[in-house]
Amino acid sequence: AQSVTQLGSHVSVSEGALVLLRCNYSSSVPPYLFWYVQYPNQGLQLLLKYTSAATLVKGINGFEAEFKKSETSFHLTKPSAHMSDAAEYFCAVGNLYSGAGSYQLTFGKGTKLSVIP
Amino acid sequence: DAGITQSPRHKVTETGTPVTLRCHQTENHRYMYWYRQDPGHGLRLIHYSYGVKDTDKGEVSDGYSVSRSKTEDFLLTLESATSSQTSVYFCAISETGTPNEKLFFGSGTQLSVL
Repeated sequence: AQSVTQLGSHVSVSEGALVLLRCNYSSSVPPYLFWYVQYPNQGLQLLLKYTSAATLVKGINGFEAEFKKSETSFHLTKPSAHMSDAAEYFCAVGNLYSGAGSYQLTFGKGTKLSVIP
Repeated sequence: DAGITQSPRHKVTETGTPVTLRCHQTENHRYMYWYRQDPGHGLRLIHYSYGVKDTDKGEVSDGYSVSRSKTEDFLLTLESATSSQTSVYFCAISETGTPNEKLFFGSGTQLSVL
């Protein structure tokens, strides 16, 4: 099964600084990759997804991620952090489950982002 | 926002008691999922459903069962709750189950097993 590894369980940045959250995937085939965000006491929301149409993917709230096959990475970035970006971020990869022929998401362990005023 | 309601939002129970969590959707989506979220583990799939009465196991299904008698409802049952099942449980839905489709998540159920 394909998997993702998120480097760093906690990341702190100053307001206005660059946000970089790291995700590496393991896959022998072109992967389906996603970034989700979870604000406190809420469910997860999709930030962006890689569809193979473009290696640089733009998402909501100014976030973007670049798919780099040579590095098996899909890191999430934002040029300038806002206080409202404080949340937990999850990288995820699609896996095909054989039982029903359907696809399921496998999530990384998450990176909690703190933004310092 | 997708219409997904999880109930209850919070529950405290004792070891050995049965517990049922409910996920209700108003989107008429075919696929429904139950995940648990634990610190340091991210989200892990418990069970999923690909239609009425069609369910399958996920990564961490031991100790859990599910049922789906209607498109809109997906129930997760802990037959005999244990402290290791203390977690936040999320329901999610998707329309087609295809690889590039996003999931819509409910707000979660905080379950504490004492």
